[in-house]
Amino acid sequence: DQQVKQNSPSLSVQEGRISILNCDYTNSMFDYFLWYKKYPAEGPTFLISISSIKDKNEDGRFTVFLNKSAKHLSLHIVPSQPGDSAVYFCAASASNGANSKLTFGKGITLSVRP
Amino acid sequence: GAGVSQSPSNKVTEKGKDVELRCDPISGHTALYWYRQSLGQGLEFLIYFQGNSAPDKSGLPSDRFSAERTGGSVSTLTIQRTQQEDSAVYLCASSLAGPGANVLTFGAGSRLTVL
Repeated sequence: DQQVKQNSPSLSVQEGRISILNCDYTNSMFDYFLWYKKYPAEGPTFLISISSIKDKNEDGRFTVFLNKSAKHLSLHIVPSQPGDSAVYFCAASASNGANSKLTFGKGITLSVRP
Repeated sequence: GAGVSQSPSNKVTEKGKDVELRCDPISGHTALYWYRQSLGQGLEFLIYFQGNSAPDKSGLPSDRFSAERTGGSVSTLTIQRTQQEDSAVYLCASSLAGPGANVLTFGAGSRLTVL
């Protein structure tokens, strides 16, 4: 039972345009959400997070939006750059600010075309 | 160390053999996690250690899998009588306690291939 779903396995965008990566979750207990980025042969690295008390968090070119009623979040990258090409994982946890396991989606492969 | 260190980076073994994978977390991180990524799949939670508390083993797929964390630092994941479906990249991560603890720092992983 996939509690965190990334339904699109891949996305291709032109350099300079916006990339929108979507994520849905089913567990209403999730209250903290993160995006991780992974390059081949490396471990995932933390990108950006959002608490359920917010609906938007922005860090430079990266913005995460949370729609709790729809159990949906999205990561926007603008402008997209070729170096953003990687696998992006959405993750969620059920205990904000405390140690708890993260539940990850299957990831989406983003390709940014020069 | 500066990051999470895992060894070996690659391991090829024959079906039925035992393997041990090692994780050296970031110094001072009290929480340690093991995940695995099989081909085409997301990151699957295996086990979680937090300080001196009993580990959360809820993600271990079978009793062939076990893990220990000695002295609150280095962890070893052991897979006994390996099967082909155990082939995956095994990722270790660590984090601080308290606020922001959900931000895990991952190692580069140990790629296990069971022939």
